[in-house]
Amino acid sequence: KQEVTQIPAALSVPEGENLVLNCSFTDSAIYNLQWFRQDPGKGLTSLLLIQSSQREQTSGRLNASLDKSSGRSTLYIAASQPGDSATYLCAVDGSARQLTFGSGTQLTVLP
Amino acid sequence: NAGVTQTPKFQVLKTGQSMTLQCAQDMNHNSMYWYRQDPGMGLRLIYYSASEGTTDKGEVPNGYNVSRLNKREFSLRLESAAPSQTSVYFCARASGPGYEQYFGPGTRLTVT
Repeated sequence: KQEVTQIPAALSVPEGENLVLNCSFTDSAIYNLQWFRQDPGKGLTSLLLIQSSQREQTSGRLNASLDKSSGRSTLYIAASQPGDSATYLCAVDGSARQLTFGSGTQLTVLP
Repeated sequence: NAGVTQTPKFQVLKTGQSMTLQCAQDMNHNSMYWYRQDPGMGLRLIYYSASEGTTDKGEVPNGYNVSRLNKREFSLRLESAAPSQTSVYFCARASGPGYEQYFGPGTRLTVT
């Protein structure tokens, strides 16, 4: 059974810092990996989707990488802002063609 | 709301009561999903519909039923609510299996 782990569970950084969020998964037979953002009391917002054949995807200040063989993905956020404060979730689309989610990293960017 | 609407936004039920959570999408996507989100458990898939006319069980289907009424609507029914079903329920849409998923705002359900 696919398991997805996100470390750390919480992270607090000063505004302007570049940061990396980590996601690891146990079964490397995946179709894609998706990163989401969730604000308190809200739904999930899709940030980036990386297909299994890709190494990275970029959107604005966000860059996500994927190393399928080692079962790892990272989400890099450049020049963090207080508005980036949220919980970031990664999800893996595996052999069952269903998304398996990690528990998330709660990010706080301090002004 | 990423083209996904969910009703109601909040609901309180007594144990044993039934209810249907409604989900509709306006993007003509083939696939729709129901998830529940619980503290410490993350999001888990309850049921999904890869295309109109088909439904399949996800990781935690017990106690739920679904109906893909048409391409636009996918409902989740609790026949006899239990306190263990207290959760936040999210509906999502995607062009198809393996495509990017877009989530609705959620329904917060409490069963007493």
